[in-house]
Amino acid sequence: NAGVTQTPKFQVLKTGQSMTLQCAQDMNHEYMSWYRQDPGMGLRLIHYSVGAGITDQGEVPNGYNVSRSTTEDFPLRLLSAAPSQTSVYFCASRATGFGSNQPQHFGDGTRLSIL
Amino acid sequence: SQKIEQNSEALNIQEGKTATLTCNYTNYSPAYLQWYRQDPGRGPVFLLLIRENEKEKRKERLKVTFDTTLKQSLFHITASQPADSATYLCALLDGGSQGNLIFGKGTKLSVKP
Repeated sequence: NAGVTQTPKFQVLKTGQSMTLQCAQDMNHEYMSWYRQDPGMGLRLIHYSVGAGITDQGEVPNGYNVSRSTTEDFPLRLLSAAPSQTSVYFCASRATGFGSNQPQHFGDGTRLSIL
Repeated sequence: SQKIEQNSEALNIQEGKTATLTCNYTNYSPAYLQWYRQDPGRGPVFLLLIRENEKEKRKERLKVTFDTTLKQSLFHITASQPADSATYLCALLDGGSQGNLIFGKGTKLSVKP
């Protein structure tokens, strides 16, 4: 009963490095999304996907790429890490239902520090 | 664009009392509103959903109200316990067609024994 699994849990990068945050869900959810959570800012949507092969930008997409080749996986790529990307990143998924009112299931986050 | 305000960053109450958290939105009334709980170091966990045509929803010690005239939802925890200490987030649709949620900044509840 894994739900949404995020790896790694912690990561330290140097400015300019690239990396991929992994997210996998085992609930066969079509909708997946990435948020970042910063003190005083709340959760902000980075990118989302409504199904395999379909992705779109959220509120704060700059500096991030996503792809969705399978229903289960939705990796988030930092192309060239910047200190402003220091944050806690959450992946979430939900079923697609009438009015899209299904609850979101979150992973436990990746805590990322950019030096 | 829609904005959400949870007007208390922190709320401290005594065990056994009722905690009341407020969520206000600024624009159109959403079809539904959700409440989540977040513990330190963990992701948010869904608690309750209330639809615009529902005035009140209950789940065990939790009660949520939704007033589209005031553009406000209230989240109540009755007979609060120290284990209820957490950050509580409200969320609603951003108005787009994809069903993306926007979240409030949360209210950190501390229940003292």
